[in-house]
Amino acid sequence: ETGVTQTPRHLVMGMTNKKSLKCEQHLGHNAMYWYKQSAKKPLELMFVYNFKEQTENNSVPSRFSPECPNSSHLFLHLHTLQPEDSALYLCASSQADGGSGNTIYFGEGSWLTVV
Amino acid sequence: GNSVTQMEGPVTLSEEAFLTINCTYTATGYPSLFWYVQYPGEGLQLLLKATKADDKGSNKGFEATYRKETTSFHLEKGSVQVSDSAVYFCALKETGANNLFFGTGTRLTVIP
Repeated sequence: ETGVTQTPRHLVMGMTNKKSLKCEQHLGHNAMYWYKQSAKKPLELMFVYNFKEQTENNSVPSRFSPECPNSSHLFLHLHTLQPEDSALYLCASSQADGGSGNTIYFGEGSWLTVV
Repeated sequence: GNSVTQMEGPVTLSEEAFLTINCTYTATGYPSLFWYVQYPGEGLQLLLKATKADDKGSNKGFEATYRKETTSFHLEKGSVQVSDSAVYFCALKETGANNLFFGTGTRLTVIP
């Protein structure tokens, strides 16, 4: 139990579906992240939110739409995805003050399969 | 720029063998360094970290020393167990930044 909870753990969706991934952190952090983990590729940062404001969008296609209603919750809305978007999506959180030693804590991930 | 280079896997060891997974980095400033572990079917867990040169991070029998002169943070364990089978990621984080730069991961399999 890392204090970062992701749902659903597994999701299969068609290319025309709309679905959402949810993340909740219970660590009192004020920064939240979405990462993508694909086979044989380094972990890719997608989005960063500090105090509910998006501070980084790492050139992510618009078919991925993040939402951060408060410092404890983060969503990733998915629509018209492609099969190559199938991956493990990891949510993470940390303190937002940028201290070098601040640890980023990860959830267990949501396995997404696009068919 | 920032980057992390990790030893290519997979690595297969017998139980009680000595483990080293090499990690080197490039950074523009003075980063903190981390090792994360991912067990099968799970997310990433922090294994250990070091925030400045010559610091040694340790946890669960694993150790890594922040070597600024060689820009390295090699992971070691004296005697691995089957339960250590996982993918290990080296990562760095610059001061003032919120992002982690990850290596590609090294898969370790420990056989009885």
